[in-house]
Amino acid sequence: RKEVEQDPGPFNVPEGATVAFNCTYSNSASQSFFWYRQDCRKEPKLLMSVYSSGNEDGRFTAQLNRASQYISLLIRDSKLSDSATYLCVADSGGYQKVTFGTGTKLQVIP
Amino acid sequence: DAGVIQSPRHEVTEMGQEVTLRCKPISGHDYLFWYRQTMMRGLELLIYFNNNVPIDDSGMPEDRFSAKMPNASFSTLKIQPSEPRDSAVYFCASLAGVAGEQYFGPGTRLTVT
Repeated sequence: RKEVEQDPGPFNVPEGATVAFNCTYSNSASQSFFWYRQDCRKEPKLLMSVYSSGNEDGRFTAQLNRASQYISLLIRDSKLSDSATYLCVADSGGYQKVTFGTGTKLQVIP
Repeated sequence: DAGVIQSPRHEVTEMGQEVTLRCKPISGHDYLFWYRQTMMRGLELLIYFNNNVPIDDSGMPEDRFSAKMPNASFSTLKIQPSEPRDSAVYFCASLAGVAGEQYFGPGTRLTVT
């Protein structure tokens, strides 16, 4: 079983739609969680950290469920510019070493 | 700040040749990571350093791969000899402190023919 698993997609959604991605992690000792965004042929960049209480940044909401060991990302009012691959990240029981999921591809269509 | 700098951006080489990838982390960052990304396997951690010391190299595929960090502002990843299956994008990332955001360089796209 992979340490971090994501649905690869692609998710094709119309502009303005709400889309949700889920991610599961296998290491119960993981403490830090993140969502990164990667544009085509570019490097990954941090989208947001995921906190136990859940957190929101504009149109983006991240949730953590420790009991079920999954992380979610909700994007409201999708924009064309949201088209990218979203990578779920969990640490490997130590804060510095993290494992990336293989990513979920989102395509927002006009 | 210039961000994480990697060179070369593209490398095409023949099987059996030595390849050296270079990385300059963000000044003041004490952690440096080398990753490899392929379509099949996604982003994989190869090795990471803390204060120039290798901490975990369990992701290094085999002895053909080696990495060094002679000082706080420079690291290399070397493949000798290279094989076609090494073709991938290699990213370097740096981090300040104990936890938080890793800043990635633009990557080196390696093609081994």
